[in-house]
Amino acid sequence: QVQLVESGGGVVQPGGSLRLSCEVSGLIFTNHGMHWVRQAPGKGLEWVAFVRSDGSETYYVDSVKGRFTISRDISKNILYLQMSSLRAEDTAIYFCAKDKGVQYFDVWGRGTLVTVSS
Amino acid sequence: EIVLTQSPATLSLSPGERATLSCRASQSVSRSLAWYQQKPGQAPRLLIYDASNRASGIPARFSGSGSGTDFSLTISSLEPEDFAVYYCQQGSNWPHTFGGGTKAEI
Repeated sequence: QVQLVESGGGVVQPGGSLRLSCEVSGLIFTNHGMHWVRQAPGKGLEWVAFVRSDGSETYYVDSVKGRFTISRDISKNILYLQMSSLRAEDTAIYFCAKDKGVQYFDVWGRGTLVTVSS
Repeated sequence: EIVLTQSPATLSLSPGERATLSCRASQSVSRSLAWYQQKPGQAPRLLIYDASNRASGIPARFSGSGSGTDFSLTISSLEPEDFAVYYCQQGSNWPHTFGGGTKAEI
């Protein structure tokens, strides 16, 4: 059974940094791409970032390019999202999700809340 | 970026009724479209991918159709647990984008 468990959320001041983690179990990590998707309070879903199964490519939504970095530690089966220069509009629940066909998201974690506020 | 427009924003129905949700893309996504269900306080769940393929474990009352720019999700007979928010999502182009959602309420 595939399980994704996010952690690392919290309250951070504008301009600050935070690193989110997603612990992955029940699958061979290097066989699957992984995504981060976020949801602002009471709002819809927004895809944020993707890393290919072999780590060869990453993609980002324009609003986080240059500020967020997606990465993996294969030895620990952990997906990361390093976030810097945080803004109020980055406030959201951040979900990690397993990729399906480099197109969809077929397994989701429960999310971790990031609040950017002074 | 491809914009997905979902309609209606809210769908008020009763258990046992048929629900039809629509999703229109600002440009063709071929059949690279998925539908997700999200209940309050929960993560989204994949229902349909490639426009019409049911994901693993999804009941047969959920079906998807469409191609190009116009898609629909049909729930043939609403069960109480189906009242939730539904999102469409395109995987044709980067960035992958979601529609604004349709809330199915009693």
